[in-house]
Amino acid sequence: SQTIHQWPATLVQPVGSPLSLECTVEGTSNPNLYWYRQAAGRGLQLLFYSVGIGQISSEVPQNLSASRPQDRQFILSSKKLLLSDSGFYLCAWSWGIGGADNEQFFGPGTRLTVL
Amino acid sequence: SQQGEEDPQALSIQEGENATMNCSYKTSINNLQWYRQNSGRGLVHLILIRSNEREKHSGRLRVTLDTSKKSSSLLITASRAADTASYFCALKSHGSGNTGKLIFGQGTTLQVKP
Repeated sequence: SQTIHQWPATLVQPVGSPLSLECTVEGTSNPNLYWYRQAAGRGLQLLFYSVGIGQISSEVPQNLSASRPQDRQFILSSKKLLLSDSGFYLCAWSWGIGGADNEQFFGPGTRLTVL
Repeated sequence: SQQGEEDPQALSIQEGENATMNCSYKTSINNLQWYRQNSGRGLVHLILIRSNEREKHSGRLRVTLDTSKKSSSLLITASRAADTASYFCALKSHGSGNTGKLIFGQGTTLQVKP
């Protein structure tokens, strides 16, 4: 069976500090991977998605970047955090080629507070 | 906007009652999915309905889809306190290709009072 891990679960960082959030998937190969941000009481904003190693698509201009150094590893980074980067960050995966329905499977999320 | 729009934004009912949430959209879709999110947790996939389907059931869940009106509804029958959560519709549009991208609505927050 497939599992998705995210860490850390919570993070408090000062403005201007760097950020690295990690997401890994087990039990599948060549997944599509996604990073979302969710503001309090709001819907999901897609930040980045990836259909393969080294292939990153950005949905919105922002202070963040993403990388996919391995097939099942997706990293969200920032060189200098802003207050507006606070939020709940969710990683998700879906079946790659052949996964016609696009059902997505979510990790537990990381609560980021920038002070 | 292609985004799914959900109605109502918040719903409060008594245990045992039925809860109905609606999702409207503007794009052409391949399928529409519903997800559930407990407070502070990730989303969990509930049910998927394809564009050529009109109704689907899964346990106490009933989903309908009207592509002519570009709307869907999620019905939870005989609700329980444990159903308290946020519910999101998500669209797979025709243009998503093999990216797997979904377009999520803003969600309906359901509170079921014991």
